[in-house]
Amino acid sequence: DAGVTQSPTHLIKTRGQQVTLRCSPKSGHDTVSWYQQALGQGPQFIFQYYEEEERQRGNFPDRFSGHQFPNYSSELNVNALLLGDSALYLCASSHRDQYEQYFGPGTRLTVT
Amino acid sequence: DQQVKQNSPSLSVQEGRISILNCDYTNSMFDYFLWYKKYPAEGPTFLISISSIKDKNEDGRFTVFLNKSAKHLSLHIVPSQPGDSAVYFCAARLSSGGSNYKLTFGKGTLLTVNP
Repeated sequence: DAGVTQSPTHLIKTRGQQVTLRCSPKSGHDTVSWYQQALGQGPQFIFQYYEEEERQRGNFPDRFSGHQFPNYSSELNVNALLLGDSALYLCASSHRDQYEQYFGPGTRLTVT
Repeated sequence: DQQVKQNSPSLSVQEGRISILNCDYTNSMFDYFLWYKKYPAEGPTFLISISSIKDKNEDGRFTVFLNKSAKHLSLHIVPSQPGDSAVYFCAARLSSGGSNYKLTFGKGTLLTVNP
């Protein structure tokens, strides 16, 4: 049973560029959430997708956007990258209103 | 404003002894709590959870206690093993009834279990 997968593992971008991160949920899950984890902090909620729509959003600017596909996989897009966007980006999947969320290994984004 | 607080950045215990990890919260509307374990270069792994209608939940070596009046929960690991060495995150979810699906995390506690 495949767990949550994310790609790429690591990414280095230049300030001002755009980036797309990808996530495939755990088998049987239909809901995907994205979190940002800065060094020494806990994960911070970016947004959640269900039925291909964003159903809740955290306190992140519009530069952060996402998409969910019919197969439940998801993308996180960040435009106009800032140095402060450097972080570990975590994808978590769950089943509808299940409270427990299951995380992928994350994508380490470095902005120079 | 940190609504979920883990005030101990680190904890060191001997193998075989009990590990107690603490978490405090400020929002009384939280009604479900979770603990995650995170190894370096991996994503958080779900460990155990508890609903606000309970005061204790047990799963093998892991037990979570919830004290709603004190807005405090703790994770007990007995007996502790070297493989338990990791960062432990406490997380909470607001009562659903609207559109509250996000988890709010603490900053984590690094547990080191010494052989």
